[in-house]
Amino acid sequence: QKEVEQNSGPLSVPEGAIASLNCTYSDRGSQSFFWYRQYSGKSPELIMFIYSNGDKEDGRFTAQLNKASQYVSLLIRDSQPSDSATYLCAGGGAWGNEKLTFGTGTRLTIIP
Amino acid sequence: SAVISQKPSRDICQRGTSLTIQCQVDSQVTMMFWYRQQPGQSLTLIATANQGSEATYESGFVIDKFPISRPNLTFSTLTVSNMSPEDSSIYLCSAEGQGNTGELFFGEGSRLTVL
Repeated sequence: QKEVEQNSGPLSVPEGAIASLNCTYSDRGSQSFFWYRQYSGKSPELIMFIYSNGDKEDGRFTAQLNKASQYVSLLIRDSQPSDSATYLCAGGGAWGNEKLTFGTGTRLTIIP
Repeated sequence: SAVISQKPSRDICQRGTSLTIQCQVDSQVTMMFWYRQQPGQSLTLIATANQGSEATYESGFVIDKFPISRPNLTFSTLTVSNMSPEDSSIYLCSAEGQGNTGELFFGEGSRLTVL
Protein backbone atom coordinates (compact mmCIF):
# COMPACT_ATOMS: atom_id res chain seq x y z
CA GLN A 1 0.00 0.00 0.00
CA LYS A 2 1.33 3.38 -0.97
CA GLU A 3 1.95 5.66 1.97
CA VAL A 4 2.95 9.26 2.34
CA GLU A 5 4.15 10.36 5.75
CA GLN A 6 4.58 13.89 6.98
CA ASN A 7 6.24 15.31 10.08
CA SER A 8 3.38 15.39 12.49
CA GLY A 9 3.59 18.93 13.75
CA PRO A 10 2.11 21.21 14.70
CA LEU A 11 4.98 23.42 13.71
CA SER A 12 5.45 26.97 14.97
CA VAL A 13 7.86 29.34 13.24
CA PRO A 14 8.58 33.01 13.96
CA GLU A 15 7.58 35.48 11.30
CA GLY A 16 10.40 36.05 8.84
CA ALA A 17 12.08 32.70 9.53
CA ILE A 18 12.25 29.64 7.26
CA ALA A 19 9.59 27.00 7.71
CA SER A 20 10.63 23.47 6.74
CA LEU A 21 8.02 20.83 6.01
CA ASN A 22 9.03 17.24 5.36
CA CYS A 23 7.47 14.25 3.68
CA THR A 24 8.56 10.68 2.96
CA TYR A 25 6.92 8.19 0.64
CA SER A 26 6.96 4.42 0.45
CA ASP A 27 6.36 3.75 -3.24
CA ARG A 28 9.53 3.99 -5.32
CA GLY A 29 7.32 4.10 -8.40
CA SER A 30 5.96 7.50 -7.43
CA GLN A 31 7.01 10.05 -10.01
CA SER A 32 5.26 13.26 -9.11
CA PHE A 33 4.91 15.13 -5.85
CA PHE A 34 2.66 17.97 -4.86
CA TRP A 35 2.39 20.38 -1.99
CA TYR A 36 -1.04 21.74 -1.10
CA ARG A 37 -1.98 24.41 1.40
CA GLN A 38 -5.28 24.17 3.22
CA TYR A 39 -6.65 26.97 5.33
CA SER A 40 -9.08 26.02 8.04
CA GLY A 41 -12.52 25.37 6.57
CA LYS A 42 -11.26 25.68 3.00
CA SER A 43 -10.35 23.21 0.30
CA PRO A 44 -6.73 22.40 -0.57
CA GLU A 45 -4.96 24.66 -3.04
CA LEU A 46 -1.89 23.67 -5.00
CA ILE A 47 1.35 25.43 -4.12
CA MET A 48 3.95 23.51 -6.08
CA PHE A 49 4.70 20.27 -7.83
CA ILE A 50 8.05 18.61 -8.45
CA TYR A 51 9.12 15.67 -10.57
CA SER A 52 12.90 15.83 -10.78
CA ASN A 53 15.54 15.35 -8.14
CA GLY A 54 16.82 18.58 -6.71
CA ASP A 55 15.27 21.91 -5.91
CA LYS A 56 12.46 23.83 -7.53
CA GLU A 57 11.86 27.41 -6.51
CA ASP A 58 8.77 29.56 -6.86
CA GLY A 59 8.89 32.86 -5.04
CA ARG A 60 9.26 32.24 -1.33
CA PHE A 61 8.64 28.51 -1.78
CA THR A 62 11.24 25.84 -2.58
CA ALA A 63 10.36 22.19 -3.09
CA GLN A 64 13.10 19.61 -2.76
CA LEU A 65 12.98 16.03 -4.01
CA ASN A 66 15.41 13.22 -3.26
CA LYS A 67 14.20 10.04 -4.94
CA ALA A 68 17.03 7.93 -3.55
CA SER A 69 15.94 8.76 -0.02
CA GLN A 70 12.24 8.92 -0.97
CA TYR A 71 12.03 12.34 0.59
CA VAL A 72 10.23 15.53 -0.36
CA SER A 73 10.34 18.82 1.45
CA LEU A 74 8.90 22.30 1.22
CA LEU A 75 10.77 25.36 2.47
CA ILE A 76 8.96 28.62 3.02
CA ARG A 77 11.29 31.59 3.28
CA ASP A 78 10.42 34.85 5.01
CA SER A 79 7.41 33.21 6.63
CA GLN A 80 4.32 35.37 6.92
CA PRO A 81 1.29 35.00 9.21
CA SER A 82 -0.74 34.30 6.07
CA ASP A 83 1.32 31.14 5.61
CA SER A 84 -0.36 29.67 8.70
CA ALA A 85 -2.27 26.67 7.38
CA THR A 86 -2.12 22.90 7.07
CA TYR A 87 0.27 21.71 4.37
CA LEU A 88 -0.46 18.46 2.59
CA CYS A 89 2.10 16.45 0.69
CA ALA A 90 0.85 14.17 -2.09
CA GLY A 91 2.54 11.62 -4.31
CA GLY A 92 1.44 10.29 -7.67
CA GLY A 93 2.53 8.20 -10.59
CA ALA A 94 3.58 9.21 -14.03
CA TRP A 95 2.19 12.42 -15.40
CA GLY A 96 -1.57 12.43 -15.23
CA ASN A 97 -1.72 8.66 -15.03
CA GLU A 98 -2.34 7.95 -11.44
CA LYS A 99 -4.34 9.10 -8.50
CA LEU A 100 -2.67 11.05 -5.71
CA THR A 101 -1.99 9.70 -2.25
CA PHE A 102 -2.07 12.38 0.41
CA GLY A 103 -0.13 12.60 3.64
CA THR A 104 -1.79 13.43 6.93
CA GLY A 105 -0.74 17.07 6.76
CA THR A 106 1.36 19.35 8.93
CA ARG A 107 -0.23 22.30 10.64
CA LEU A 108 2.03 25.34 10.44
CA THR A 109 1.62 28.45 12.58
CA ILE A 110 3.65 31.58 11.91
CA ILE A 111 4.11 33.58 15.05
CA PRO A 112 4.14 37.38 14.55
CA SER B 1 -6.14 25.61 -13.39
CA ALA B 2 -9.68 24.27 -13.23
CA VAL B 3 -12.54 26.01 -11.46
CA ILE B 4 -14.73 23.51 -9.66
CA SER B 5 -18.12 24.27 -8.17
CA GLN B 6 -19.74 22.00 -5.63
CA LYS B 7 -23.13 22.02 -4.03
CA PRO B 8 -24.46 21.87 -1.46
CA SER B 9 -21.68 23.55 0.49
CA ARG B 10 -23.10 22.13 3.68
CA ASP B 11 -26.09 20.20 4.88
CA ILE B 12 -27.49 18.61 7.99
CA CYS B 13 -29.07 15.24 7.31
CA GLN B 14 -31.06 12.70 9.22
CA ARG B 15 -29.83 9.19 9.78
CA GLY B 16 -30.98 6.78 7.07
CA THR B 17 -31.44 9.40 4.37
CA SER B 18 -29.36 9.94 1.25
CA LEU B 19 -27.80 13.09 -0.16
CA THR B 20 -26.43 13.80 -3.59
CA ILE B 21 -23.50 16.19 -4.06
CA GLN B 22 -23.05 17.85 -7.42
CA CYS B 23 -19.74 18.89 -8.95
CA GLN B 24 -19.31 21.09 -12.01
CA VAL B 25 -15.97 21.80 -13.71
CA ASP B 26 -15.43 24.79 -15.96
CA SER B 27 -13.63 22.72 -18.59
CA GLN B 28 -13.74 19.21 -19.94
CA VAL B 29 -11.71 16.75 -17.90
CA THR B 30 -11.13 13.05 -18.33
CA MET B 31 -11.00 12.04 -14.71
CA MET B 32 -12.76 13.40 -11.67
CA PHE B 33 -12.08 12.27 -8.15
CA TRP B 34 -14.14 12.21 -5.00
CA TYR B 35 -12.35 12.54 -1.66
CA ARG B 36 -13.51 12.47 1.92
CA GLN B 37 -11.87 14.51 4.66
CA GLN B 38 -12.92 13.71 8.18
CA PRO B 39 -12.33 16.30 10.91
CA GLY B 40 -8.64 16.89 11.49
CA GLN B 41 -7.68 14.25 8.96
CA SER B 42 -6.15 14.19 5.53
CA LEU B 43 -7.86 13.36 2.27
CA THR B 44 -9.02 9.83 1.54
CA LEU B 45 -9.91 8.93 -2.02
CA ILE B 46 -13.37 7.43 -2.37
CA ALA B 47 -13.46 6.79 -6.10
CA THR B 48 -12.35 7.89 -9.54
CA ALA B 49 -15.08 8.84 -11.98
CA ASN B 50 -14.45 8.53 -15.71
CA GLN B 51 -17.01 9.60 -18.25
CA GLY B 52 -18.64 6.68 -19.99
CA SER B 53 -17.61 3.99 -17.53
CA GLU B 54 -18.35 2.91 -14.01
CA ALA B 55 -16.50 4.62 -11.22
CA THR B 56 -13.50 2.87 -9.70
CA TYR B 57 -13.77 2.60 -5.91
CA GLU B 58 -10.96 2.47 -3.39
CA SER B 59 -10.70 -0.15 -0.71
CA GLY B 60 -13.32 0.40 1.94
CA PHE B 61 -15.76 2.22 -0.33
CA VAL B 62 -18.55 0.51 -2.26
CA ILE B 63 -20.92 1.56 -5.00
CA ASP B 64 -24.05 0.80 -2.99
CA LYS B 65 -23.00 3.28 -0.33
CA PHE B 66 -21.44 5.91 -2.60
CA PRO B 67 -23.02 5.72 -6.06
CA ILE B 68 -21.38 8.07 -8.54
CA SER B 69 -22.59 9.41 -11.84
CA ARG B 70 -20.47 10.95 -14.59
CA PRO B 71 -22.81 11.85 -17.42
CA ASN B 72 -20.39 14.12 -19.29
CA LEU B 73 -16.88 15.56 -19.20
CA THR B 74 -17.73 18.49 -16.93
CA PHE B 75 -20.09 17.08 -14.32
CA SER B 76 -20.28 14.39 -11.66
CA THR B 77 -22.40 13.53 -8.67
CA LEU B 78 -21.68 11.58 -5.51
CA THR B 79 -24.52 10.18 -3.43
CA VAL B 80 -23.99 9.27 0.19
CA SER B 81 -26.64 6.62 0.85
CA ASN B 82 -28.35 5.49 4.02
CA MET B 83 -26.32 7.94 6.05
CA SER B 84 -25.13 7.40 9.59
CA PRO B 85 -23.28 9.79 11.93
CA GLU B 86 -20.01 8.16 10.80
CA ASP B 87 -20.58 9.69 7.37
CA SER B 88 -20.30 13.20 8.80
CA SER B 89 -17.40 14.61 6.87
CA ILE B 90 -16.30 16.99 4.17
CA TYR B 91 -16.66 15.56 0.69
CA LEU B 92 -14.41 17.07 -1.95
CA CYS B 93 -14.67 16.85 -5.70
CA SER B 94 -11.48 17.25 -7.70
CA ALA B 95 -10.24 17.20 -11.25
CA GLU B 96 -6.93 17.36 -13.02
CA GLY B 97 -5.64 20.59 -14.48
CA GLN B 98 -5.32 21.16 -18.19
CA GLY B 99 -1.54 20.96 -18.27
CA ASN B 100 -1.41 17.15 -17.92
CA THR B 101 1.05 17.47 -15.06
CA GLY B 102 -1.02 15.42 -12.65
CA GLU B 103 -1.99 18.11 -10.19
CA LEU B 104 -5.52 18.16 -8.84
CA PHE B 105 -7.78 21.12 -8.27
CA PHE B 106 -10.50 20.94 -5.69
CA GLY B 107 -13.99 22.22 -5.22
CA GLU B 108 -14.86 24.06 -2.03
CA GLY B 109 -16.19 20.90 -0.46
CA SER B 110 -19.53 19.78 0.93
CA ARG B 111 -19.68 19.58 4.70
CA LEU B 112 -22.21 16.97 5.76
CA THR B 113 -23.44 16.51 9.30
CA VAL B 114 -25.55 13.44 9.99
CA LEU B 115 -27.69 13.46 13.11
